[in-house]
Amino acid sequence: GAVVSQHPSRVICKSGTSVKIECRSLDFQATTMFWYRQFPKQSLMLMATSNEGSKATYEQGVEKDKFLINHASLTLSTLTVTSAHPEDSSFYICSALTGRENEQYFGPGTRLTVT
Amino acid sequence: AQSVTQPDIHITVSEGASLELRCNYSYGATPYLFWYVQSPGQGLQLLLKYFSGDTLVQGIKGFEAEFKRSQSSFNLRKPSVHWSDAAEYFCAVGPQGFKTIFGAGTRLFVKA
Repeated sequence: GAVVSQHPSRVICKSGTSVKIECRSLDFQATTMFWYRQFPKQSLMLMATSNEGSKATYEQGVEKDKFLINHASLTLSTLTVTSAHPEDSSFYICSALTGRENEQYFGPGTRLTVT
Repeated sequence: AQSVTQPDIHITVSEGASLELRCNYSYGATPYLFWYVQSPGQGLQLLLKYFSGDTLVQGIKGFEAEFKRSQSSFNLRKPSVHWSDAAEYFCAVGPQGFKTIFGAGTRLFVKA
């Protein structure tokens, strides 16, 4: 089946620094990827839709200047959390959309802790 | 507006007992429906999906779900639960411009 990877799986950074999270589709091409945020014991909140070669579409309430998304190739999307603050600490999950029946494959997630 | 409701925040079942997790949705057209499972600290794994056709869908790990249009439901079932099934389960509906809407999740606890 389709595999999506995320790197890193865990990251700890200091307040004010920036962190980049990578999402890769390993065995298929994905023109569309999604970035989600998940708070403890809560559901997934869609942050943005990332389309290869174009600007990401952000959900209402998500700061696009803080959460920079780049989808430079058909297999890679990156999420950069800029000037991170402790409230940005969360579990970030990406997914890649296959062309087949709108099926999403999810990455294993990245646990971000901002100190 | 499109939405997904999972009425049960958590459920506890005994190992070997049957399981049913409830999911109700609100969607304007025939929905694409999904059930995902998430173990602690992990991403989501697709258990099964419904797009069209037979309303009883078989998935992985012995799970099945039944689409009932009249009740706007897509309940997940398993005849005999194993301890390894303890996890968080999410019902989801899409597409909505390719967006998937997730329910709040149901945490399953399995007791010996």
